[in-house]
Amino acid sequence: TQLLEQSPQFLSIQEGENLTVYCNSSSVFSSLQWYRQEPGEGPVLLVTVVTGGEVKKLKRLTFQFGDARKDSSLHITAAQPGDTGLYLCAGPKNSGGSNYKLTFGKGTLLTVNP
Amino acid sequence: DTGVSQDPRHKITKRGQNVTFRCDPISEHNRLYWYRQTLGQGPEFLTYFQNEAQLEKSRLLSDRFSAERPKGSFSTLEIQRTEQGDSAMYLCASSTHLVGSSYNSPLHFGNGTRLTVT
Repeated sequence: TQLLEQSPQFLSIQEGENLTVYCNSSSVFSSLQWYRQEPGEGPVLLVTVVTGGEVKKLKRLTFQFGDARKDSSLHITAAQPGDTGLYLCAGPKNSGGSNYKLTFGKGTLLTVNP
Repeated sequence: DTGVSQDPRHKITKRGQNVTFRCDPISEHNRLYWYRQTLGQGPEFLTYFQNEAQLEKSRLLSDRFSAERPKGSFSTLEIQRTEQGDSAMYLCASSTHLVGSSYNSPLHFGNGTRLTVT
């Protein structure tokens, strides 16, 4: 079973602080995706990482894929209230690497207080 | 690009009733997916279509669940004889798959239908 474990489950910080959330698995994934989901809405894709060791930046967000492709992290610099949401990682599940069937972690619920 | 549209946004029903949800994908997308998300969990894959063909169903999809995509455009998900355990957010997503290749574009999710079974 390909499970993705995310930590921490909840995170509440003040505006301007930095934070890192983690996504770990005992399985190798061909790629991992990060989504942000706001209350009452569907997940929105932030980034896909494909190569072991890859680092991608999206403004104040930095995503890293572990060398062994079993884990990933998301670092947010100078968090803002608009960053509040549920951050989900997801990877292809027994689908030959194709992302049509994704397994999701439980997510990290981030609250950034003004 | 009007995005993936789901209807209704909320549905409250009594146990034992049947419910039907609709999903309108992004028009040029040939793949359509249904996922279910319960409180405190990430979405779980239920089924997907390529055009009108239903290519895979999860074991989570019991016999009370049926999904269709009759013309390869919109899709419906019906739950018969609803149970309290069916209460969840039902998410639809769509993507483009290049036939003959392994390429699948990123999934675009709708805002879901929240089902409450009382």
